[in-house]
Amino acid sequence: NAGVTQTPKFRVLKTGQSMTLLCAQDMNHEYMYWYRQDPGMGLRLIHYSVGEGTTAKGEVPDGYNVSRLKKQNFLLGLESAAPSQTSVYFCASSTFISQALNYGYTFGSGTRLTVV
Amino acid sequence: GQQLNQSPQSMFIQEGEDVSMNCTSSSIFNTWLWYKQDPGEGPVLLIALYKAGELTSNGRLTAQFGITRKDSFLNISASIPSDVGIYFCARFGNEKLTFGTGTRLTIIP
Repeated sequence: NAGVTQTPKFRVLKTGQSMTLLCAQDMNHEYMYWYRQDPGMGLRLIHYSVGEGTTAKGEVPDGYNVSRLKKQNFLLGLESAAPSQTSVYFCASSTFISQALNYGYTFGSGTRLTVV
Repeated sequence: GQQLNQSPQSMFIQEGEDVSMNCTSSSIFNTWLWYKQDPGEGPVLLIALYKAGELTSNGRLTAQFGITRKDSFLNISASIPSDVGIYFCARFGNEKLTFGTGTRLTIIP
């Protein structure tokens, strides 16, 4: 099992460009999440999904869109990248049962995005 | 949103030393979680705490759920090089995790 896979691992964008980050999980998890990590800020939730076809806003959703057309994939889109979106992006997934018992999220290894 | 404040923000210690860090909040929580992030990786769950006063160990790691339910502590005994990383506290609510600001641990050779 690969767990949670994020692509790409690194990307440099110019201001105003668009891109999509892909998160794929092979564990049949219901829940998926996108976080961004900035120095001294911890991980902040951007958007999340509690099942195929559903999405919801997190703490810092502005400037991002998401889609969950298939249960195993959760896409994060930047329509017009800004320097403030320079960050490390993490995807995570979990099951309903793990949420209820031990909150064991499985995280991907991250995508480092630089907007110049 | 809910704010989880961790201290210290960073620590520089020598191998073999003990480490203590804490996490505080203005709100009462029913659970406290501690995660570790290795360099270049995503966070991994270390310990979960479910009730006030609870003390839980995982090898050299010990975490406590504060009596007031507004704080939690993580201790690492006899640190080793692989303890390097960022430690996050977290709380779970409304189907999602909220993370603290993190404590970065560096071990000086």
